[in-house]
Amino acid sequence: GAVVSQHPSRVICKSGTSVKIECRSLDFQATTMFWYRQFPKQSLMLMATSNEGSKATYEQGVEKDKFLINHASLTLSTLTVTSAHPEDSSFYICSAKGGGAGDPHEQYFGPGTRLTVT
Amino acid sequence: SQQGEEDPQALSIQEGENATMNCSYKTSINNLQWYRQNSGRGLVHLILIRSNEREKHSGRLRVTLDTSKKSSSLLITASRAADTASYFCATVGENSGYSTLTFGKGTMLLVSP
Repeated sequence: GAVVSQHPSRVICKSGTSVKIECRSLDFQATTMFWYRQFPKQSLMLMATSNEGSKATYEQGVEKDKFLINHASLTLSTLTVTSAHPEDSSFYICSAKGGGAGDPHEQYFGPGTRLTVT
Repeated sequence: SQQGEEDPQALSIQEGENATMNCSYKTSINNLQWYRQNSGRGLVHLILIRSNEREKHSGRLRVTLDTSKKSSSLLITASRAADTASYFCATVGENSGYSTLTFGKGTMLLVSP
């Protein structure tokens, strides 16, 4: 149980284009989803927290117009990197937590999406 | 912002040896969690220890928490090559409404056969 998927696992795009990454909770309803960014050999940095049906809360320094987050349903959140540039190349990881069984503080992580902007 | 600091940053041991990783944090917490990440993959939750707990075990894992020192340790006993990965501690703040995780910098563990 508590499986989170991400799609795509890898994406290469050209500078200036937009890329959408999906995060799905497969067997539970995710009341809250989180998006993280991880540079090589570094830790995870929280970008934003989203709750179903409401606007995402962005961390300081994260541009909300550049990283659009939509949490339209209890099983799906999307992150769109708009007008991507090479410096946006990174590993993007989502996590989810929700009601039901399991510790309320535990987050379930997706496998990550490797974005490369050329 | 990152709160946790793990040490060592990298640890290299032989199979069968024990591996100890430490984590320090700065603010009051509700709980502390340890995660494992294989290279280029997502995170796997290992163990959660609450602020009122001092020690917890799960299989070959032993986690301790000292809230007076704001530190935690993760011990992996009888390590295996398959334990090779990066290990992160993450804290949930005492008043965190969404149980937001703040990650430490991680320890890269290499277990040689």
